[in-house]
Amino acid sequence: AQSVTQLGSHVSVSEGALVLLRCNYSSSVPPYLFWYVQYPNQGLQLLLKYTTGATLVKGINGFEAEFKKSETSFHLTKPSAHMSDAAEYFCAVSPWYSSASKIIFGSGTRLSIRP
Amino acid sequence: KAGVTQTPRYLIKTRGQQVTLSCSPISGHRSVSWYQQTPGQGLQFLFEYFSETQRNKGNFPGRFSGRQFSNSRSEMNVSTLELGDSALYLCASSLGDIGMNTEAFFGQGTRLTVV
Repeated sequence: AQSVTQLGSHVSVSEGALVLLRCNYSSSVPPYLFWYVQYPNQGLQLLLKYTTGATLVKGINGFEAEFKKSETSFHLTKPSAHMSDAAEYFCAVSPWYSSASKIIFGSGTRLSIRP
Repeated sequence: KAGVTQTPRYLIKTRGQQVTLSCSPISGHRSVSWYQQTPGQGLQFLFEYFSETQRNKGNFPGRFSGRQFSNSRSEMNVSTLELGDSALYLCASSLGDIGMNTEAFFGQGTRLTVV
C-alpha cells in the first residue's frame, strides 16, 4: 500500500523568500514520486518527478526536490518565491512497476506569496 | 501537440440523474485514468483504462463506470447522482507502458455540480 502525507495545508511566504513544502510517503515497493501544481480552475501540471538515479531532482519554474529514502521524504523547495508561484501543490506517489496511471496524491498544500 | 481534452468543462445536474463525461487523450497515449477532486477527500483515483480494458480500479461504488474506445477516447458515467458527487473530475493520459518512466498529462477537468 502507498500513501502520501503533506505537512501543512497552507504555507505563506514573502516574495523572494525560500519556499519549502514538505512531503512524506509510505510505500512497500520502490516508489516513483511526483510534485504537481494546480492553478485555480485548472488541471494538474507536473513540476518534477523522481524515478531512479540522482536523488536531487530539478523541475520547472526553479523548483527542485530531494528524495531521502531514510527519511521517506520528498520535500519541494525553491530558493526565491515569485508571485506567480501562488497555487496548490500536490505530492504524489506511484509504484515503480505501474504506468503513470494509478497515482496516490497527498491532500495538497496551498502556497500563498506575500508581496 | 494537442493536450488532454475534457468535455464539457462545466455541468449542472439534478440528484438522481446520470451524467457522462468525455476525455480525449494525447495522440498516441493508450492509458486514460480518471480522478475525482473534492475539498473534503482531495484527489482520488477512480479507474484506469488501457487499450479498451479497465486495468486498475479505485474504491468507488458501482455507480461510477467508464469505458474506452478504440481511438483511446474515454468516457466516464455516473448514475443516480448524489449531492456528494459534486466535484472536479480530472482525466489523465499516458503512454501506459508498465514499468516505464512515463508521465501522466492531465486535462483541465470537468466541474460537476449536483443540485
